[in-house]
Amino acid sequence: DGGITQSPKYLFRKEGQNVTLSCEQNLNHDAMYWYRQDPGQGLRLIYYSQIVNDFQKGDIAEGYSVSREKKESFPLTVTSAQKNPTAFYLCASSPPGQGTNEKLFFGSGTQLSVL
Amino acid sequence: SQQGEEDPQALSIQEGENATMNCSYKTSINNLQWYRQNSGRGLVHLILIRSNEREKHSGRLRVTLDTSKKSSSLLITASRAADTASYFCATDSFGAQKLVFGQGTRLTINP
Repeated sequence: DGGITQSPKYLFRKEGQNVTLSCEQNLNHDAMYWYRQDPGQGLRLIYYSQIVNDFQKGDIAEGYSVSREKKESFPLTVTSAQKNPTAFYLCASSPPGQGTNEKLFFGSGTQLSVL
Repeated sequence: SQQGEEDPQALSIQEGENATMNCSYKTSINNLQWYRQNSGRGLVHLILIRSNEREKHSGRLRVTLDTSKKSSSLLITASRAADTASYFCATDSFGAQKLVFGQGTRLTINP
């Protein structure tokens, strides 16, 4: 069953703690993205990666870090430097062989809350 | 950064009626896309319209694009309870390497 898997679905962070959100895809997509969604708001881009071992900052990268060691995986770490991390985090990917931004496939999201 | 603005923010209609939501944007685009999000879930791609297209259909969905007004509309005909969701427009600008999403329209279909 092809798709994008995000885990965990719910995550709680203590003050000063780093947490990592997992995103795995078996769609053979080259490009992957992390978005943040606050209640009643649109999506804001955190980081994106168009190829393995390469990634770029989005609009709100401060306090976040990523890696892209494998095509299938694009984990997001929310560091202690991110002072307002409570949000819904969405991972997405897009297929090769077309304009990178022409259709995104999304995971089901991770809700991160601060204890 | 450029961002689509959607109107209305919330829309509530009776099942069977048509629903229209609008998206305006600020700069020239390569394409505009519409996505649906059910509560607490990821987004699902609905339809893409390119800058040289004026209208596109997919099932009960009709999208129009007016590049002179920098606006787009999404029409859902014969609405169903299952259409209850938030709908987002997203714009892809030349050379931007990323989509920019609007804040969405929350659509409620009442049985």
